[in-house]
Amino acid sequence: KNEVEQSPQNLTAQEGEFITINCSYSVGISALHWLQQHPGGGIVSLFMLSSGKKKHGRLIATINIQEKHSSLHITASHPRDSAVYICAVRSPLGNQFYFGTGTSLTVIP
Amino acid sequence: DGGITQSPKYLFRKEGQNVTLSCEQNLNHDAMYWYRQDPGQGLRLIYYSQIVNDFQKGDIAEGYSVSREKKESFPLTVTSAQKNPTAFYLCASSPLYRISGNTIYFGEGSWLTVV
Repeated sequence: KNEVEQSPQNLTAQEGEFITINCSYSVGISALHWLQQHPGGGIVSLFMLSSGKKKHGRLIATINIQEKHSSLHITASHPRDSAVYICAVRSPLGNQFYFGTGTSLTVIP
Repeated sequence: DGGITQSPKYLFRKEGQNVTLSCEQNLNHDAMYWYRQDPGQGLRLIYYSQIVNDFQKGDIAEGYSVSREKKESFPLTVTSAQKNPTAFYLCASSPLYRISGNTIYFGEGSWLTVV
């Protein structure tokens, strides 16, 4: 059983649409990360959350600690947003990360 | 600029060979990690290290070895004992949580193919 579950696995959207990717986790955490992986393979961290909500440009991330759930929203989606989005959580002691299997997003012009 | 450098980007291994993937960071991070990524699966931890000259096995350490002789460097050797090594390998680093926060940084990854 995975400690981190994401949905959907694949998502295709028209340019301009509002997108939501969901993440549920089953372990205690010190923080939750949303990561972006482009086709070349490198991964960058978009957000790190321990509570509440964060916004960066067209990206918004929220977390509900009680429900062990987080969402990543993309407003006014653009083809350059096409990537794999990965949810990851850090263990309470901080020495382990657990990763979801990723959501592959394709935004069509 | 600070970051993590992995090399090589692409590597081909013959049966029975050991190969070493390089990972160097100039972020002054204490913790370093090696992950393996296969299609349809999340990143799986191979080894991690929180301090020089010390490292711990992750979930899939069999067939792999590491060293941490310097804070900046955490090379991964894929040995001939690893029966299915074809995968994408990612190195990462982070500050120790209790000291400096939670951010994790990744390298660009290395594609290893067995031929």
